[in-house]
Amino acid sequence: DQQVKQNSPSLSVQEGRISILNCDYTNSMFDYFLWYKKYPAEGPTFLISISSIKDKNEDGRFTVFLNKSAKHLSLHIVPSQPGDSAVYFCAADGSGNTGKLIFGQGTTLQVKP
Amino acid sequence: EAGVAQSPRYKIIEKRQSVAFWCNPISGHATLYWYQQILGQGPKLLIQFQNNGVVDDSQLPKDRFSAERLKGVDSTLKIQPAKLEDSAVYLCASSLGVLKRSEQFFGPGTRLTVL
Repeated sequence: DQQVKQNSPSLSVQEGRISILNCDYTNSMFDYFLWYKKYPAEGPTFLISISSIKDKNEDGRFTVFLNKSAKHLSLHIVPSQPGDSAVYFCAADGSGNTGKLIFGQGTTLQVKP
Repeated sequence: EAGVAQSPRYKIIEKRQSVAFWCNPISGHATLYWYQQILGQGPKLLIQFQNNGVVDDSQLPKDRFSAERLKGVDSTLKIQPAKLEDSAVYLCASSLGVLKRSEQFFGPGTRLTVL
């Protein structure tokens, strides 16, 4: 039972354009969401998060949008840079107050120069 | 500040053999996590420690996997005996606290191949 889903395995965009990565979840009890970025041979690193009391959170070039009614969140990267090429994981904080994260399958972003 | 350290980085074994992974979290971090990431999937939590006590091991296959965190610092994850489906990257992460929204910092992982 996949509670967090990233249905696009890969995405390719041109440098300078917008990258939009999508994530869907099934459990309406999730109230905190995170995006992690992963380069090859490295562990995931935290990128940005959003609480369910908000519908948008912005940090520089990165913005996360949350649509609770649709159980959908998206990560926007504007403008995209070649260094953004990585695997992006969406995660939900899924278990009370223990900090347990439930990850999606990941989307590989390639930003072409 | 030193990050989460893991060793070995790569390991190749045959099925039915045993293997152990080691993790040294960031100094002062109370919570330590072991995740399994199978190719094409996201990381899946295997076990979570707070100091040296287990918070969550609901997804740990206890018939073959074991983990310990002695003295609330370093941790080892063991697989005995290994199966083909255990081929994955094993990620260790740590966080300062145990509550949600305490950022998790990940190590580089150990890539296990079971032949």
